[in-house]
Amino acid sequence: QSVLTQPPSASGTPGQRVTISCSGSRSNIGTNAVNWYQQLPGTAPKLLIFSNNQRPSGVPDRFSGSKSGTSASLAISGLQSEDEADYYCATWDDSLNGPVFGGGTKLTVL
Amino acid sequence: QITVKESGPTLVKPTQTLTLTCTFSGFSLSTSGVGVGWIRQPPGKALEWLALIYWNDDKRYSPSLKSRLTITKDTSKNQVVLTMTNMDPVDTATYHCAHAGLDTGVAGANRYFNVWGRGTLVTVSS
Repeated sequence: QSVLTQPPSASGTPGQRVTISCSGSRSNIGTNAVNWYQQLPGTAPKLLIFSNNQRPSGVPDRFSGSKSGTSASLAISGLQSEDEADYYCATWDDSLNGPVFGGGTKLTVL
Repeated sequence: QITVKESGPTLVKPTQTLTLTCTFSGFSLSTSGVGVGWIRQPPGKALEWLALIYWNDDKRYSPSLKSRLTITKDTSKNQVVLTMTNMDPVDTATYHCAHAGLDTGVAGANRYFNVWGRGTLVTVSS
């Protein structure tokens, strides 16, 4: 059971906009910034969004993040087949005194 | 360019101790603010944070595994070592190490894993 709650799956067609939610609590998302990771099949996770809405160099602006209260969201616009991957949210938890991850969302491009 | 790479045994027996080494380049663990973390992923399951060590030798452990974990650093060798005692088949997973970056922007101090190793699959079986 992950500390952060994500839907197990999401889907969309090419060109669509999809969002993935991440729900936490006051001790984690409510207090700290949220990061998102993309894990393509058979590869290591890759940092996609940090500090709620910042994109590392090289990440397309089709990916965006937001946070409100104890929840966060990842939005992917102009969905492409290569976006098919697992997506994980993560943040620091002040009660656990360490990073926590969501359970992951498997994105399927139909 | 930052790189990190994990090494260690691919197979351990139940009750044995696992020792994994993370060898990195492109940064120094003696530089203020720098950290290295370990994260594992059982086959088909989610990511789970294990441990984190900072430039000042401050250490953090997952509360659920704290009694079994030890993380150390060797700054001169650019290595971080993780040991996990009393291994069990449920510990079968890919173990990743990662550089822990720090952002101090408008969102406040935020630690994130910005460079990951490919991981090493550790199977626990007799």
